Amino acid sequence: QQQVKQSPQSLIVQKGGISIINCAYENTAFDYFPWYQQFPGKGPALLIAIRPDVSEKKEGRFTISFNKSAKQFSLHIMDSQPGDSATYFCAASMIPYSSASKIIFGSGTRLSIRP
Amino acid sequence: GAVVSQHPSRVICKSGTSVKIECRSLDFQATTMFWYRQFPKQSLMLMATSNEGSKATYEQGVEKDKFLINHASLTLSTLTVTSAHPEDSSFYICSARDERGYEQYFGPGTRLTVT
Repeated sequence: QQQVKQSPQSLIVQKGGISIINCAYENTAFDYFPWYQQFPGKGPALLIAIRPDVSEKKEGRFTISFNKSAKQFSLHIMDSQPGDSATYFCAASMIPYSSASKIIFGSGTRLSIRP
Repeated sequence: GAVVSQHPSRVICKSGTSVKIECRSLDFQATTMFWYRQFPKQSLMLMATSNEGSKATYEQGVEKDKFLINHASLTLSTLTVTSAHPEDSSFYICSARDERGYEQYFGPGTRLTVT
């Protein structure tokens, strides 16, 4: 119940295309859903995050779509660029945090943008 | 944005020796810090959660006597890998949670190689 399932494992998109990564969760107590971007040899960086009180959040070319009833959320990267090539992790956690609260990560998606 | 640093970025040590990794939150106070381990092409594995001034909480299967964690101040946590062995070679990443309690920021990671 604590898992966050992420797909696909890898994704190849042409430059200018739309990259879509999907995640699903079981624990309805989760109420904070961040996405992280990680380049090789670097730590993850917070990209965008959403709370379940909204169905969509957009920041530049990055959009999170959230479906509370289906317990699914996805990341859309519009006009994908070679510089977007990285590994993306979806995650989920609970707010407010207790001392035991922690972020549950998906398995990651390796995105490659072909020029 | 919030910045978390790690030192060193890379370390090579001989089998049987100990190595210390530092994690600092540079522009915010972090009551909670986390230590992760990441193997190639895999997701982040939480090792332990540390709260300032108290003992760390280790995840199941993580040897607390091998991976010593100290969180002595609101801006510094350290991970000491004791009696390191080649199987401890990995990418270690720390993160810090800001005072509001839900944003979590990651350090750049430390590549540990045990020879």
